[in-house]
Amino acid sequence: GNSVTQMEGPVTLSEEAFLTINCTYTATGYPSLFWYVQYPGEGLQLLLKATKADDKGSNKGFEATYRKETTSFHLEKGSVQVSDSAVYFCALWSSNYKLTFGKGTLLTVNP
Amino acid sequence: DTGVSQDPRHKITKRGQNVTFRCDPISEHNRLYWYRQTLGQGPEFLTYFQNEAQLEKSRLLSDRFSAERPKGSFSTLEIQRTEQGDSAMYLCASSTAGGGGTVGLNEQFFGPGTRLTVL
Repeated sequence: GNSVTQMEGPVTLSEEAFLTINCTYTATGYPSLFWYVQYPGEGLQLLLKATKADDKGSNKGFEATYRKETTSFHLEKGSVQVSDSAVYFCALWSSNYKLTFGKGTLLTVNP
Repeated sequence: DTGVSQDPRHKITKRGQNVTFRCDPISEHNRLYWYRQTLGQGPEFLTYFQNEAQLEKSRLLSDRFSAERPKGSFSTLEIQRTEQGDSAMYLCASSTAGGGGTVGLNEQFFGPGTRLTVL
C-alpha cells in the first residue's frame, strides 16, 4: 500500500536559517505529492504540490521537487521566518481519492 | 463562504456514550472526506462522499462509526459506544470533482477539526 515517511521532529531553527524537511514515499503507479501546513489552532492548508516526476512545487518561498528516482519530495526554504512555525505534513494522492499523510514535522523558528 | 466548518470544535465524553460531529463543506464542493488524526500522527482517511453517496470506507471505520451526507451538503459522523481509543482529532475536508486526467486531484480544503476526548 501507499505510505509516506517524513523527517522526525521537532525541528528548531533561528530566523533566516535554511530549512529542509525530508519526505520519501512508497506508492503504486504515479502518485501526486503534496506538502500541507498546519498553523497553531488552524486547519490543514495546502502549501504546494507536484503532479509528476521532476515537477517543482513552490509557494511562499517553500519549494519541493518530485524525484521519482529517489521517491522523495523534500521541502526546502532558504530563509525561514518566525511566522513559518507550524506542523508540516507530506502527503501523496494516488488513484483512490484519499490522501496518505506522513506523521508531520513540527517546526519552531526562534527570532 | 469562508471555508469548511466543523462543529463542535471540542467534545469530551464518557466511555460508552454516543457522539455526533457535523461538517459543513464549502458550498460548491461535491466531495467530502473524513480523516482522523491521533497525537503525533498524520491524518488517516476514514471515508469519502461524492454528493450523497458514500463511495469508500476505510477499515479504520468500525461498525461503531457511521457517516452520512443526506442531501449532499453537510455531513455527520457518529460514533456509538465510544472507547478511549477513539480520542483523536476528526478532520473534514471538501473538494470539487475534477475531470479527465485530474479526477480526484482537486485540492482538499480542510476544516479546523473536532477534538474528541473519551474519558
